[in-house]
Amino acid sequence: DADVTQTPRNRITKTGKRIMLECSQTKGHDRMYWYRQDPGLGLRLIYYSFDVKDINKGEISDGYSVSRQAQAKFSLSLESAIPNQTALYFCATSDLKPGQGMSNEQFFGPGTRLTVL
Amino acid sequence: RKEVEQDPGPFNVPEGATVAFNCTYSNSASQSFFWYRQDCRKEPKLLMSVYSSGNEDGRFTAQLNRASQYISLLIRDSKLSDSATYLCVAGIGTSYGKLTFGQGTILTVHP
Repeated sequence: DADVTQTPRNRITKTGKRIMLECSQTKGHDRMYWYRQDPGLGLRLIYYSFDVKDINKGEISDGYSVSRQAQAKFSLSLESAIPNQTALYFCATSDLKPGQGMSNEQFFGPGTRLTVL
Repeated sequence: RKEVEQDPGPFNVPEGATVAFNCTYSNSASQSFFWYRQDCRKEPKLLMSVYSSGNEDGRFTAQLNRASQYISLLIRDSKLSDSATYLCVAGIGTSYGKLTFGQGTILTVHP
């Protein structure tokens, strides 16, 4: 079984709809991240979380919200989807503990392909 | 200016060729560096970390030049299976574990 899973894998929705993307991990990592990937722009960080009580905005958080329901679960919501949120969304985890000062490898889920019409 | 910049390619090379990718990063506070590989429509996966002393893993060699803020990846004896997008990644030296990704370099190895 995959260590980092995402649901749904594909979703087509309409402008204005609320969408939730879910991420679960069995790696026991404290840190979780949400990225979006667009052609030519690479991966951009939306939100990240150290633990259940610690959530931080990334570089492109406008139009998104997140919930860290448990160490293993991190959900991304689009409250009112718009067409320019059409992208490939990845969840990732890492096991770096706060205070160590160095970034560490991130492990990615398989991605959710979202299309907003 | 993007924090991590790569030549997007595409690079088209024959099997057996040697190919080099370059990457520059703008944030001098960056302390950790990686190359990730991403196959079409798949998630990125770590190819290798990059150390100041340079490191090698089989056919792959990574180099870091902190003075020039430059990272490279060399692939020798290219295989068809090396066809993918290669992402250059820099991590800032804070406790947040954030990584900044380049836009990726596309490699196609042909027979």
